[in-house]
Amino acid sequence: EIVMTQSPATLSVSPGERATLSCRASQSVSSKLAWYQQKPGQAPRLLIYGASTRATGVPARFSGSGSGTEFTLTISSLQSEDSAVYYCKQYNSWRTFGQGTKLEIK
Amino acid sequence: QVQLVQSGAEVKKPGASVKVSCKASGYSLTSNGISWVRQAPGQGLEWMGWISAYSGSTNFAQNLQGRVAMTTDTSTNTAYMELTSLRSDDTAVYYCAREGQQHYYFDYWGQGTLVTVSS
Repeated sequence: EIVMTQSPATLSVSPGERATLSCRASQSVSSKLAWYQQKPGQAPRLLIYGASTRATGVPARFSGSGSGTEFTLTISSLQSEDSAVYYCKQYNSWRTFGQGTKLEIK
Repeated sequence: QVQLVQSGAEVKKPGASVKVSCKASGYSLTSNGISWVRQAPGQGLEWMGWISAYSGSTNFAQNLQGRVAMTTDTSTNTAYMELTSLRSDDTAVYYCAREGQQHYYFDYWGQGTLVTVSS
C-alpha cells in the first residue's frame, strides 16, 4: 500500500500571501495525484488532478506541481474562503489519501 | 447535471450491518467507477473501495476486506455499500464519489451518510 504523507499538519497564512502545501508518496505515483479541498460539514471538492491540472471551475490561484514522490499545492494570494483542510490522494495504485493539511487564514 | 444522493443517517449496534445507497442522476452509473470514502469524526478521509458498475469488478482497502461489500443496480442507477460486523470505530460519515474515466479523480461526491455505531 502506498502511504501519502502531508506537511505541515496546520498552516496559518495571512490574506493575500502564498500558501505551499506538500505531499509525499512512499513510492512513485507518477503524476497520478489529486488534491481536494474540504470545508466543515461539506463533502470534499476536487481541485487538481494529474498533479497539475485544475478541475473545472477552480480559480487560477490554485496550482499543483510535482511528479514521482514529491508534490506541492500552491495557493497564491490567499482569500478568506480558502480556509479548509486540503487532502492529496494518489490513484496510481488504487487510492490512498494523505492525512490532510489544515489551512488557517490569519 | 450530475448528482449523487445518498440514503439517510443510520444508528446501529455493534455487530450489526449497515447498507448505504448512492443514487446517481445526470449520467449512467456504467460510465464511471464509484469509490466509497469514509471520515470518522474529526479525522481525515479514508478510501474504502471501488466498484465498476460496467463490469461488477471491485477492489477494497486491505483493512476492510471481509467486512465490506459493494454492489450496483443499473436499473435504478444506484450504488450500494454494505459494512458488516460493525464496531464503534466504524462511526463515520460515508461518502460515495464518482471517478473520472481516464484520471481516477473523484469529481462528484454524495452528500454523505452518517453511520453511528453505539450500544
